[in-house]
Amino acid sequence: GAGVSQSPRYKVAKRGQDVALRCDPISGHVSLFWYQQALGQGPEFLTYFQNEAQLDKSGLPSDRFFAERPEGSVSTLKIQRTQQEDSAVYLCASSLREGPDTQYFGPGTRLTVL
Amino acid sequence: RKEVEQDPGPFNVPEGATVAFNCTYSNSASQSFFWYRQDCRKEPKLLMSVYSSGNEDGRFTAQLNRASQYISLLIRDSKLSDSATYLCVVTGYSSASKIIFGSGTRLSIRP
Repeated sequence: GAGVSQSPRYKVAKRGQDVALRCDPISGHVSLFWYQQALGQGPEFLTYFQNEAQLDKSGLPSDRFFAERPEGSVSTLKIQRTQQEDSAVYLCASSLREGPDTQYFGPGTRLTVL
Repeated sequence: RKEVEQDPGPFNVPEGATVAFNCTYSNSASQSFFWYRQDCRKEPKLLMSVYSSGNEDGRFTAQLNRASQYISLLIRDSKLSDSATYLCVVTGYSSASKIIFGSGTRLSIRP
C-alpha cells in the first residue's frame, strides 16, 4: 500500500519568502508528526497531531512556523518569512494509533533558503 | 546536557564482526524506546522497539537498562548492508509526549 508522501521533495526559497510543505500520511493513521533534520543530526520534533487536534507544538522554533491538519488526514507545515537557518530536511511521519507506536516516515522535503 | 545522547561514531568494523552501541537518556520518566535505521539521504525506518526485558530480532539485540538510563543495540555477524546511521528514540507515556531522537551513530561495515 501507499506509504507517507511529502511534497515538494525539494524547495529552494529566497530569504523572506513563505513556504508550504505538504504531508499525506498513511490512510487511517491517527497520529502525525513533523520533524526538522539538519545535516548530521537526528530529527528534531516540531509538532504532533492526533487526528485534527494539534496536541503538542512545543518543538516549533518560532512563531514563523505553523502546522495544520484540518480534516485529520493531510497536513501542511507553513514557514513564513524564511531564514537561512530554516534550511533543513522536513520529515513527516504517521502512526496508526495514539501514543508511542511505530512511526512511518515520508521521504522528506529538503528546504534550502538562499 | 542533551536529553538523548549517542556516540556519533563512525564505527568502522569488518564484515562478520559484532558491534554494539549505547544511547543514554536523561529523563527517568521515559517509557518507550526504539531503534531506527537511517540510510544516507533516506528517511528513518523502524529497526526494533526496545522492551524492558530485552529483545532479539535475528542478528539484532536491544536492551534497556533503566537504572543507568541507557539502551543498547548489538549487531552480530555484521553485513555490508548494515552500514547506516542508527538513531535511538525515547518517548514518554502519554500520546502527547514529545518524541526525542538521538543524533545517531554512524556504522560502516567494510568487506
